[in-house]
Amino acid sequence: GQNIDQPTEMTATEGAIVQINCTYQTSGFNGLFWYQQHAGEAPTFLSYNVLDGLEEKGRFSSFLSRSKGYSYLLLKELQMKDSASYLCAVRDSNYQLIWGAGTKLIIKP
Amino acid sequence: ETGVTQTPRHLVMGMTNKKSLKCEQHLGHNAMYWYKQSAKKPLELMFVYNFKEQTENNSVPSRFSPECPNSSHLFLHLHTLQPEDSALYLCASSQDETGSYEQYFGPGTRLTVT
Repeated sequence: GQNIDQPTEMTATEGAIVQINCTYQTSGFNGLFWYQQHAGEAPTFLSYNVLDGLEEKGRFSSFLSRSKGYSYLLLKELQMKDSASYLCAVRDSNYQLIWGAGTKLIIKP
Repeated sequence: ETGVTQTPRHLVMGMTNKKSLKCEQHLGHNAMYWYKQSAKKPLELMFVYNFKEQTENNSVPSRFSPECPNSSHLFLHLHTLQPEDSALYLCASSQDETGSYEQYFGPGTRLTVT
């Protein structure tokens, strides 16, 4: 079967750095997405990785290792507004998106 | 209106009712999706339409019936639902259903089946 694993919940302090991991086992790989979802709102796109390495976009970076079936989302200089769920999704060989259950990130002052 | 809109935002219905969810995208995209989101579970893809043609139906019960009259509008018709169908129903669109195109989500319809 296809599977995406993410921690259920993480807690971090305002101003700090947090890394949210995602491991996947899918039938084929055609890219990995990270989305942010605030409570009661729609998911919004954060990043896309299809090649190994680090993609940086402001305070957020996403890393991919295809050989290890592993990605992480790195959030720097955490702000209270970063409190949200972070969803990892992988596009498989049929171009279908397989979603993780999401990681709820709690930011404390 | 911009982006992806959904109506209604909240819906409470009995198991014998018939209702419809509406989704509209103003992004010129060719693919539209229905997802079900339950607490602490991954997003469940229900249906995919690409250029108005249904390309995916993930073993969804027949009490859910999609309709895509054009590439900007998507409906989900509901009838004789069960309490376990209570969830957030999200509509999304993307330029195409393949490749690196991200999906844009609507705000969702919070459905409660009593």
